[in-house]
Amino acid sequence: AQSVTQLDSQVPVFEEAPVELRCNYSSSVSVYLFWYVQYPNQGLQLLLKYLSGSTLVKGINGFEAEFNKSQTSFHLRKPSVHISDTAEYFCAVSDPHGSSNTGKLIFGQGTTLQVKP
Amino acid sequence: EPEVTQTPSHQVTQMGQEVILRCVPISNHLYFYWYRQILGQKVEFLVSFYNNEISEKSEIFDDQFSVERPDGSNFTLKIRSTKLEDSAMYFCASSQDSNYGYTFGSGTRLTVV
Repeated sequence: AQSVTQLDSQVPVFEEAPVELRCNYSSSVSVYLFWYVQYPNQGLQLLLKYLSGSTLVKGINGFEAEFNKSQTSFHLRKPSVHISDTAEYFCAVSDPHGSSNTGKLIFGQGTTLQVKP
Repeated sequence: EPEVTQTPSHQVTQMGQEVILRCVPISNHLYFYWYRQILGQKVEFLVSFYNNEISEKSEIFDDQFSVERPDGSNFTLKIRSTKLEDSAMYFCASSQDSNYGYTFGSGTRLTVV
């Protein structure tokens, strides 16, 4: 069974500083990986995804993530954060090769990014 | 940009009552999902729906729950005889392809009292 662990429940950071939100997954098969962002009182918005190919994936709002198969990680980074990046960030995994292949996502617990002025 | 629309945004219901949460997926999407997020906990998969039938459901999705696509545009989640522990944010999502990530709605906050 797959699982996703987001190691930090809260990450406080000052504006314009770099940030890394950590995500590790557990799976016996190759997976697709996603990062979603949830702004207050809103739904989940797709930031970026890794399906195959280059291990460095660029997403919206200046975010990027690097897939590391040997470490089973998919950490999210941004070189310089803004106040508007304050939100909840969720890492998720799906198994594209499963018998049902329904696209079901398994989510991590979420990381609250708090950007301070 | 196309959106997934959920109504109502907030619903309060008495324990034991039935509720129907409504969703309008993106029009050319083929895969539909319901997830829930209990306050302070992770987002959990409930059910996926494709080709007018359930394609996968979680252990949470017991006989109390049902889904329907009654017409070409709506996708509903019915919870019969609600319990206090059903209080959560319920998210609908849709996708054109099951593998490439989906578009979520803004959610319905269900409060069972």
